[in-house]
Amino acid sequence: AQKVTQTQTSISVMEKTTVTMDCVYETQDSSYFLFWYKQTASGEIVFLIRQDSYKKENATVGHYSLNFQKPKSSIGLIITATQIEDSAVYFCAMRGATSSGQKLVFGQGTILKVYL
Amino acid sequence: GGIITQTPKFLIGQEGQKLTLKCQQNFNHDTMYWYRQDSGKGLRLIYYSITENDLQKGDLSEGYDASREKKSSFSLTVTSAQKNEMAVFLCASTGRANTGQLYFGEGSKLTVL
Repeated sequence: AQKVTQTQTSISVMEKTTVTMDCVYETQDSSYFLFWYKQTASGEIVFLIRQDSYKKENATVGHYSLNFQKPKSSIGLIITATQIEDSAVYFCAMRGATSSGQKLVFGQGTILKVYL
Repeated sequence: GGIITQTPKFLIGQEGQKLTLKCQQNFNHDTMYWYRQDSGKGLRLIYYSITENDLQKGDLSEGYDASREKKSSFSLTVTSAQKNEMAVFLCASTGRANTGQLYFGEGSKLTVL
């Protein structure tokens, strides 16, 4: 069975600093996809970044990057030069590429608060 | 671009009532999902569908039915509404060529009296 766990409930950081949010996952699939999504205060959920399990390079999109540690089943999200508008809830998610088909499961979320 | 439309945006029902939420997408996506989000919590998968007339149970399917009669629409029925399932229900979709990136609707908030 697939499972995604985010243990950090809430993080507060000063603007322009770097923050890392943790996520660990469980899957029986040998190939899988990992995602991070952002939910704003309005409730809107948007896709941020993806890591394919077969890729060794960490994905980077804008000021978002990933720290993929496959042996530890860990996929951390790093946000550099944080801005006030980065304040939101961040969800980690995963989907298997084989047996579990299109089933996509989410973690519990981490609240990020960026202050001046 | 496309859009996912959920109706109604707010749904109020009585305990024990059967309630239906609807979702339409014009992305021409193959796979659609229903998630439940309780206040301040994560998203839990109720049902998903990889194509028209297909249904797959998620981790929270008990107490719910789903229907995918057309590629563009996916409905979710709460078979007997309970007060402890007041939540926001989120519909999402993804295309076959898109390795899992989901596009979400705005959500439907369920209140049970």
